[in-house]
Amino acid sequence: DAKTTQPPSMDCAEGRAANLPCNHSTISGNEYVYWYRQIHSQGPQYIIHGLKNNETNEMASLIITEDRKSSTLILPHATLRNTAVYYCIVRETSGSRLTFGEGTQLTVNP
Amino acid sequence: DVKVTQSSRYLVKRTGEKVFLECVQDMDHENMFWYRQDPGLGLRLIYFSYDVKMKEKGDIPEGYSVSREKKERFSLILESASTNQTSMYLCASSFRGEKLFFGSGTQLSVL
Repeated sequence: DAKTTQPPSMDCAEGRAANLPCNHSTISGNEYVYWYRQIHSQGPQYIIHGLKNNETNEMASLIITEDRKSSTLILPHATLRNTAVYYCIVRETSGSRLTFGEGTQLTVNP
Repeated sequence: DVKVTQSSRYLVKRTGEKVFLECVQDMDHENMFWYRQDPGLGLRLIYFSYDVKMKEKGDIPEGYSVSREKKERFSLILESASTNQTSMYLCASSFRGEKLFFGSGTQLSVL
């Protein structure tokens, strides 16, 4: 499995962009990068995923470096409701198994 | 929207009891998963299943078993509950290798 490394915590001002980094230096060529978030006392929720190209949806943008060794999740205009733990995960190629690390606790401040 | 339903939000059991945690999904997903979540340890995979009657051990299967008799239902069984199994248990499902959908979780306390 490719392991991921994330900072344990980050702060962001409401209305500003939140940029959450993730390192996955041992990722292999056909492994996807997935991002999930978990609001306190709820199950994790899928945000976005990508292979090598940048991706955008209604929730966030995902920027993957050209060498694929790192990525950044961008929440363009953070709100208080974006306060959550964000998990960066690399999916095994042998199946659907996803291994979660401890993620980044993002706190959006008013 | 996909719905993953866990039978109980909170559960209190005694040491040595046999405990069943039930999970049902309504989207005909092949894959189902059981995780536990503890402070400082993140989510850890207990068991997963790719199909009916099929199961694979995750990272921490000791003390647990699972059952998948029907595609939509995946049960986690604690044969003899112990206090170190007090935790938040999360069930998830997915279509093949795609994104996971999680239930709301069951907070289990073993006294």
